[in-house]
Amino acid sequence: SQQGEEDPQALSIQEGENATMNCSYKTSINNLQWYRQNSGRGLVHLILIRSNEREKHSGRLRVTLDTSKKSSSLLITASRAADTASYFCATDRGTGNQFYFGTGTSLTVIP
Amino acid sequence: GAVVSQHPSWVICKSGTSVKIECRSLDFQATTMFWYRQFPKQSLMLMATSNEGSKATYEQGVEKDKFLINHASLTLSTLTVTSAHPEDSSFYICSAESGHSASYEQYFGPGTRLTVT
Repeated sequence: SQQGEEDPQALSIQEGENATMNCSYKTSINNLQWYRQNSGRGLVHLILIRSNEREKHSGRLRVTLDTSKKSSSLLITASRAADTASYFCATDRGTGNQFYFGTGTSLTVIP
Repeated sequence: GAVVSQHPSWVICKSGTSVKIECRSLDFQATTMFWYRQFPKQSLMLMATSNEGSKATYEQGVEKDKFLINHASLTLSTLTVTSAHPEDSSFYICSAESGHSASYEQYFGPGTRLTVT
């Protein structure tokens, strides 16, 4: 399958808590990206991490990448109800600009 | 900046008819556009990659005669679902990549929900 795997598939937390979701992929990559999708809408790009980077921050988001384990994690700190959405990781093929999306994590933040 | 639009946002059509979906980059030139489909509560599946002025490259298992892609200009790509059937009902999302982007960031359209009755 071209897709990566994400876990958990669904996550429900209280507002203010941190949310961590993980992504595993199968082949070598140049970079990995995280996207957010609100129900029935398009995707919003959150963050890109290159294969030679191990950690990246953007506001309340922290992304790590472990190329030896072919895995990445997205941490959302101090979650808000507005963070409720599906989160997808996307990896490139390694040789081009096509991206393959993971299976996604559905996050629900309870006010 | 980097806005991508899709039209229509939703469409209902009868089985056997064809439907055209447009994807436009509004404020940048997109040398490459991508088409994805997404079933409910599932991930995005890449269908095809289209480069302006050349034939689209389809992913394995995607029927090129069923899903016609045209990328006639640097700001417009169209996906035509020919002889649509109920199993073609899905959420279709396009994305566009600027030729000047060194990071391969793709900008996504808001999606088009197709329902075939």
